[in-house]
Amino acid sequence: QKEVEQNSGPLSVPEGAIASLNCTYSDRGSQSFFWYRQYSGKSPELIMSIYSNGDQEDGRFTAQLNKASQYVSLLIRDSQPSDSATYLCAVNTLTGANNLFFGTGTRLTVIP
Amino acid sequence: GAVVSQHPSWVICKSGTSVKIECRSLDFQATTMFWYRQFPKQSLMLMATSNEGSKATYEQGVEKDKFLINHASLTLSTLTVTSAHPEDSSFYICSSPLAGGIGYEQYFGPGTRLTVT
Repeated sequence: QKEVEQNSGPLSVPEGAIASLNCTYSDRGSQSFFWYRQYSGKSPELIMSIYSNGDQEDGRFTAQLNKASQYVSLLIRDSQPSDSATYLCAVNTLTGANNLFFGTGTRLTVIP
Repeated sequence: GAVVSQHPSWVICKSGTSVKIECRSLDFQATTMFWYRQFPKQSLMLMATSNEGSKATYEQGVEKDKFLINHASLTLSTLTVTSAHPEDSSFYICSSPLAGGIGYEQYFGPGTRLTVT
């Protein structure tokens, strides 16, 4: 079983819509959760961090964490074509003190 | 966020030669540096973890004699691809957790695209 799983997509949404990206993880002791955005040919960029159950909002981005169900999601409101990228979910587990386990990423396309 | 730089951003080399990639933390001390490789349309693959002043830890299946990692200072880690072959062509990215940062968020360098001909 993979540590972190994401739907690879592609996920397509029209401009202005809400994009919903989901991620599940296997280590129930995981404590830190991150969303990275990676444009084609570029390195990942940290966009959201969340550490406790509930929602964490930053501008058009909202990260949601449910530790009981072992899932973390990212909502992008008012999606823009510039949001088109691959979104990587990353989880810090107790087995790796300062290492992150990355999902394979979900490719998002926002259609103008 | 913390700033990590990489050099070169891209490199083309001939098969059999060696290539060195540098990764620097510009505004913080990086006691740990992670090295990833990413093939086209695939996810990040952790290659090794380097800690300042000690030997790197390699992931299973990564040849330590082929991918030499040196972390001689708190701001510089290097990856040398020795006797490169076309199958080593990939996007190499370093990252570092921000020392003292909450939750070990990692900051990535811009990456180095290696093409071996």
